[in-house]
Amino acid sequence: EAGVAQSPRYKIIEKRQSVAFWCNPISGHATLYWYQQILGQGPKLLIQFQNNGVVDDSQLPKDRFSAERLKGVDSTLKIQPAKLEDSAVYLCASSPGGGATDTQYFGPGTRLTVL
Amino acid sequence: AQSVTQLDSHVSVSEGTPVLLRCNYSSSYSPSLFWYVQHPNKGLQLLLKYTSAATLVKGINGFEAEFKKSETSFHLTKPSAHMSDAAEYFCVVSEADSWGKLQFGAGTQVVVTP
Repeated sequence: EAGVAQSPRYKIIEKRQSVAFWCNPISGHATLYWYQQILGQGPKLLIQFQNNGVVDDSQLPKDRFSAERLKGVDSTLKIQPAKLEDSAVYLCASSPGGGATDTQYFGPGTRLTVL
Repeated sequence: AQSVTQLDSHVSVSEGTPVLLRCNYSSSYSPSLFWYVQHPNKGLQLLLKYTSAATLVKGINGFEAEFKKSETSFHLTKPSAHMSDAAEYFCVVSEADSWGKLQFGAGTQVVVTP
């Protein structure tokens, strides 16, 4: 079974530029999550999709971050414009149903450096 | 509200000796608890999870954890450390009404010396 795929693996940009990350979840998984992991910290949930609807985006900085999951499969996360404090690893995860007991399967992440 | 405290940011053990990673949680409702491991430049991998069944949970690679409600703890142990256990470990909580939202601890970095 293929795992969660993410691209690119690494990205370096200047502040105020835009960047987009892509995630393809495990086939058949209804729920998709985007997390931000700042160096030295645990991941923090940015947004959760159930199929193509948003379940939780309470911690997404909506003035600069946006995400979509068209057709309930793959997803993109965009930052526009980027700030220095956005330097982090962006992790995508998926789970079959989205319940509290579900196992979330994580992709390898995209490491973003903002200069 | 849910939260997790990992009591040690770094743990150093010798190969072949026991490993203990300590975790305390706070939860308003019946929690699910997880331990994830993150090796350098790799994705997070589930070690084990507690979902209100047996309080002693066995996971992969010889790890186990015990859920103690009275102590609000979910410590991770392994009887004998291996060099390949060197990684970052995260204790994670999810509440029953949270739609699967995971709250991660800050992580414990494990170093294994020969």
